[in-house]
Amino acid sequence: QLQLQESGPGLVKPPETLSLTCTVSGGSISSSSYYWGWIRQPPGKGLEWIGSMSYSGNTYYKLSLKSRVTISLDPSKNQFSLKVRSVTAADTAVYYCARGSTGDLDYWGQGTLVIVSS
Amino acid sequence: SYELTQPPSVSVSPGQTATITCSGDKLGDKFACWYQQKPGQSPLVVIYQDSKRPSGISDRFSGSNSGNTATLTISGTQSLDEADYYCQAWDSSTPGVYVFGTGTKVTVL
Repeated sequence: QLQLQESGPGLVKPPETLSLTCTVSGGSISSSSYYWGWIRQPPGKGLEWIGSMSYSGNTYYKLSLKSRVTISLDPSKNQFSLKVRSVTAADTAVYYCARGSTGDLDYWGQGTLVIVSS
Repeated sequence: SYELTQPPSVSVSPGQTATITCSGDKLGDKFACWYQQKPGQSPLVVIYQDSKRPSGISDRFSGSNSGNTATLTISGTQSLDEADYYCQAWDSSTPGVYVFGTGTKVTVL
């Protein structure tokens, strides 16, 4: 059974960089069939897709976040990462990592709350 | 950017049918899926590729997608179905893009 687990600081100061890692177990991120993505959910609000990356290097980002976001894969550690630069309070959210399949995000991590505050 | 619109809330009596709509331009040309999210939990796929049910998901959940609207139907609604539901669209031309709907709170009265 595939499992994903987010890790990283729970508190980030503006305008620093938010950095999270997703560790995948029970399967390999080196499969060319999937995308590996990040989604966030501000407290009390809806889901927002941030971006996704495939093992072959194809990368997609939400247009409004593209200038501040980078997703990368580390197959040697079976991990992928998210960086969000120049954070503000609006970036406070639960951040989820997930596996992207044909049409849906079929496996999700449990999520990690990141608060942006000085 | 592509947008998906859902009703903010749907109320249903136990045992009745709940219908949640998701509207987007030419949504029927894309794959639609549906997630159930309960408080403090990660989203869970209940319908994928318009109308398919993952293993372990009750057959009370069904989906359709045509024209500009995808629909999630919950038959014989139970109290455990009370949750937030999100639609999501996927287009084969941009395979790494997953667009979420605005979300619908389903309340079982």
